Order: sequence, then structure tokens, then C-alpha cells
Amino acid sequence: GDSVTQMEGPVTLSEEAFLTINCTYTATGYPSLFWYVQYPGEGLQLLLKATKADDKGSNKGFEATYRKETTSFHLEKGSVQVSDSAVYFCARNGGYNKLIFGAGTRLAVHP
Amino acid sequence: DTAVSQTPKYLVTQMGNDKSIKCEQNLGHDTMYWYKQDSKKFLKIMFSYNNKELIINETVPNRFSPKSPDKAHLNLHINSLELGDSAVYFCASSQGLSEVETQYFGPGTRLLVL
Repeated sequence: GDSVTQMEGPVTLSEEAFLTINCTYTATGYPSLFWYVQYPGEGLQLLLKATKADDKGSNKGFEATYRKETTSFHLEKGSVQVSDSAVYFCARNGGYNKLIFGAGTRLAVHP
Repeated sequence: DTAVSQTPKYLVTQMGNDKSIKCEQNLGHDTMYWYKQDSKKFLKIMFSYNNKELIINETVPNRFSPKSPDKAHLNLHINSLELGDSAVYFCASSQGLSEVETQYFGPGTRLLVL
């Protein structure tokens, strides 16, 4: 069935390091793709999204490009901060706007 | 000015009890959802409603019964609670059912069944 696969965490980085979190999806057609972030003890917040192939979503220095050739939507940030420590979820739309999530990747950024 | 709110935030109860979780959104959205996040942080949709009508019921045990008295509210009632129901339950809302819609999540309700 339709699914989303993310790289396993935790990912541990030093401040100002480059971040990549890999995400691939399976689907028929071209679903909308999302990255959500969950800070400790909170609900999920939309970080960015892309609704068609080759779109690039960006927000707060994060970006991800919808690549239909590789069915991927990898999250990147050039210079992470301690405040970026959170769990990041990749998701795709599964019809009737239901979200199908990846397993989440925990990011820990140290000073 | 909270967009999506849930009550209670924490719920600790005994096996076999019946409990309800309430969700309200003040965004004027037509569509609301319940998601379950297990202890490994895995998130899965349970239900969605659009204009008070059930749209998605994702093979959830019938001990779980959602109720939408109006578009701004979607409550979740759970009968005969089991240990495996322990999880964080998130409510969410979106403008509609379009696949490009953003979903806005509540802060979650942490349910612990003893």
C-alpha cells in the first residue's frame, strides 16, 4: 500500500552543521507532500509542503524538493540551531486529505 | 486564541473504564481528524469528519466512537479502555478535503490506561 519511509534517528548534530533527513514515498499518482515538526511536549506544526512535482517547499531555513523521478522529498537545512531539536515527520496525502506519516526522525542539536 | 484545542491534556484511567476526549477548532474549518501516536511516535489516522459527516474510519475498533455535534467540534469517546489504548491522541482540522490543504494540530491528549 501507500507508505512513507524516513531515515531512522536519532540524528545528532552540532550547531551550524548541515542537516539532511531522507524521505521517500510510494504512491500512484502525485500526492501532496509535507514535512511536519513536533517540538517536545507539543502537537505537530506544518514546516513546509509541496503539492506537485519539482515544487520546492521552504520555511525557516528548511527546504525540500518534490522529486517524482526518485519519489523523494528530503528535508535540508544549511545551518541547524539548538532550537531546531525536535521530531520531524514526512507525510504524504492519502486521499480525502488523510495524512500518511513516516515514522519520524528525532533531531538533537548540541551547542 | 488557540486554533485547535483539546481537553483534557492528560488522562489516566483504569482498564475497562469509558472516557471522552474533546476537540474544538476556531479556524472556521469544515474538516476535522483524530490521529493516534503510539509510544514509538508513529502517527496514524483514525477518523475524519467533513461538515459533521464521517469520511474516514480507518479500521479502528468499534470501542472508539467519534461524535461531531457541529463543524467546530469533534469528540472521541472510548469504551472499555484497554492497555493498548495508551497513546497520545491528536485532533486536527483543515479547511476542506482538498489534497493540498494544511492540517492544523491540537496539542494532544496523553492517555494512560493502567
